[in-house]
Amino acid sequence: EIVLTQSPATLSLSPGERATLSCRASQSVSSYLAWYQQKPGQAPRLLIYDASNRATGIPARFSGSGSGTDFTLTISSLEPEDFAVYYCQQRGSWPVSFGQGTKLEIK
Amino acid sequence: QVQLVQSGAEVKKPGASVKVSCKASGYTFTGYYIHWVRQAPGHGLEWMGWISPSSGGTYYAQKFQGRVTMTRDTSISTAYMELSALRSDDTAVYYCARVGRYYDSSGQFDFWGQGTLVTVSS
Repeated sequence: EIVLTQSPATLSLSPGERATLSCRASQSVSSYLAWYQQKPGQAPRLLIYDASNRATGIPARFSGSGSGTDFTLTISSLEPEDFAVYYCQQRGSWPVSFGQGTKLEIK
Repeated sequence: QVQLVQSGAEVKKPGASVKVSCKASGYTFTGYYIHWVRQAPGHGLEWMGWISPSSGGTYYAQKFQGRVTMTRDTSISTAYMELSALRSDDTAVYYCARVGRYYDSSGQFDFWGQGTLVTVSS
C-alpha cells in the first residue's frame, strides 16, 4: 500500500500570503495525484487532479505540481475562505490512499 | 447538476449492521464508478472500496473485506454500502463519491455525497 505523507501538519499564514503544501508518496504514483479541500462539517472538494489540472470552477490561485513521489499544492495569495484542511490522494496503485491532511489556519 | 444524496444519520449497537444509501442524479448513473470513503471524528479520510454501477462489480479495501458489501439499484440510481459486525471504532461519517472519469474505476472524486454519520454505541 502506498503511504502519502503530508507536510506540514499545520500551516499558519495570513490572508494574502502564499501557501505551499507538500505530499510525498512512499513509491511512485506517476502523476496520479489529486488534492482536496475540506471545511468543517462539509464533504471534501476536488481542487487538483492528475497532479496539475485544476478541477472545474477552482480559482487560478490554486496550482499543483510534481510527479513520481513528490507533489506540491500552492495557493498563490490566500483568501479568507481558503483556510481549511487539505488532503492529497493517489490513484496510481490499489488501494487508493489519502494523506493525513494539512490544516491551513489563520495566523 | 450532478448530485449525490445520502441517507440520514444512524445509531447502531456493537455487532449490528448498517446500510447507507447514495442516490445519484444529474448524470448517467451507470457510467461512473462510485467509491465509499469514511472519516472518523477528528481524523482523516479512509478509502473503503468501489462499485461499478454498470456491472455491479466491486473491489474492497483489505481492511473491510468480509464486513462490507456494496450494491446498487440501477432502476433508482442508488448505490448502497452495508457494513456488518459494527464496532465502536466504526463510528464515522461515511461518504459516497463519484469518479470523475467515464467508465473508469480509478480516478479523482469529483462529486461527493453530503456524508452520513454512523454512531456505534452500546
